[in-house]
Amino acid sequence: KQEVTQIPAALSVPEGENLVLNCSFTDSAIYNLQWFRQDPGKGLTSLLLIQSSQREQTSGRLNASLDKSSGRSTLYIAASQPGDSATYLCAVNRNTGFQKLVFGTGTRLLVSP
Amino acid sequence: GAGVSQSPSNKVTEKGKDVELRCDPISGHTALYWYRQRLGQGLEFLIYFQGNSAPDKSGLPSDRFSAERTGESVSTLTIQRTQQEDSAVYLCASSLRGLSSYNEQFFGPGTRLTVL
Repeated sequence: KQEVTQIPAALSVPEGENLVLNCSFTDSAIYNLQWFRQDPGKGLTSLLLIQSSQREQTSGRLNASLDKSSGRSTLYIAASQPGDSATYLCAVNRNTGFQKLVFGTGTRLLVSP
Repeated sequence: GAGVSQSPSNKVTEKGKDVELRCDPISGHTALYWYRQRLGQGLEFLIYFQGNSAPDKSGLPSDRFSAERTGESVSTLTIQRTQQEDSAVYLCASSLRGLSSYNEQFFGPGTRLTVL
């Protein structure tokens, strides 16, 4: 059974810091991995999707890497801003032929001005 | 264009009552997914629709849960004889196609269900 773990569970940083969120998964047979952010009272917003054949994806200040063989992904946020405060979730797409996402429990990020 | 919408946004019900949760996916998206997020826990997959059929119902927690989709559009998740452990945020997502690893899922805002 695929299990996804995110560390740390919560993180508080001052504005401007670079930070790294970690995601690990137990079964390396995945199609892809997605990073989402979840804001209170709102749905999930997809940030980055990395295919299993890729090593990383970048979007603006965000960079996500994937090491499938070791079952790890990291989300790097450069020059953090208060607007980045949210819960960040990683999810792996199991190797079942359709997108059945298995989610981690998330990292709650607070960026203070 | 409009994103995924869900209704109601909040639902409070008494134990033993039935509830219906609605999801309107993005127009043209053939795949639709239901997830549940209980307090302090990660999202759990419940059911997946490709068109109007549900090839994977493996995540439904009990036979009190059922879902249907009509017109390859709106979906309804029904919970019968609700229990307190059913309290959660129920999230719906859709993607352009399901049978591919390359399709991003877009999520709705969720329905917060509280069973008293």
